[in-house]
Amino acid sequence: SAVISQKPSRDICQRGTSLTIQCQVDSQVTMMFWYRQQPGQSLTLIATANQGSEATYESGFVIDKFPISRPNLTFSTLTVSNMSPEDSSIYLCSVEGQGFYNEQFFGPGTRLTVL
Amino acid sequence: SQQGEEDPQALSIQEGENATMNCSYKTSINNLQWYRQNSGRGLVHLILIRSNEREKHSGRLRVTLDTSKKSSSLLITASRAADTASYFCATASLNRDDKIIFGKGTRLHILP
Repeated sequence: SAVISQKPSRDICQRGTSLTIQCQVDSQVTMMFWYRQQPGQSLTLIATANQGSEATYESGFVIDKFPISRPNLTFSTLTVSNMSPEDSSIYLCSVEGQGFYNEQFFGPGTRLTVL
Repeated sequence: SQQGEEDPQALSIQEGENATMNCSYKTSINNLQWYRQNSGRGLVHLILIRSNEREKHSGRLRVTLDTSKKSSSLLITASRAADTASYFCATASLNRDDKIIFGKGTRLHILP
């Protein structure tokens, strides 16, 4: 399994500002995923990030609001732009395991509170 | 839209008892996975069951899959306080677009 770290682990931000979340993996992976988990809710996929190409966003998520970078095979960033209190969530990155089946491993998450 | 629906939404049992959680899904799948999340932290992968498997064991965990009913169950035997967490099922579709879709989760509370 992969070891994944995220920075920051938590943050409190003001409305209208932006926050960039970093995700680092201890091995090279093709695909990285970004999820949002709103308070008391399940995980919703924001986008899939492949190295060297534009991220693929799920319905309801747009690049202007959640720009993603994937500069190499071990690192990705997610920016939450022009934040509002509705963006208060846990943001998690994950990577796919090396096996054939879509087993995913998750980072510890970034808990974001927007005031 | 959510693929999996867990029930119950919340479950409280005495330590030592068995806990059973169920997951139903809507479309054909490649595999189904169960995850645990402690207190809003990162998810821990528990077990993956493939669509051609019916039952799988891992320690105190037993997972079943019934593709005809589009449902799965997770059984935790001899529960412990440390099992208190939220449990999610997640499904991978047949088209192997590498995405997994999460259900709403079951909050399990083990009473001392």
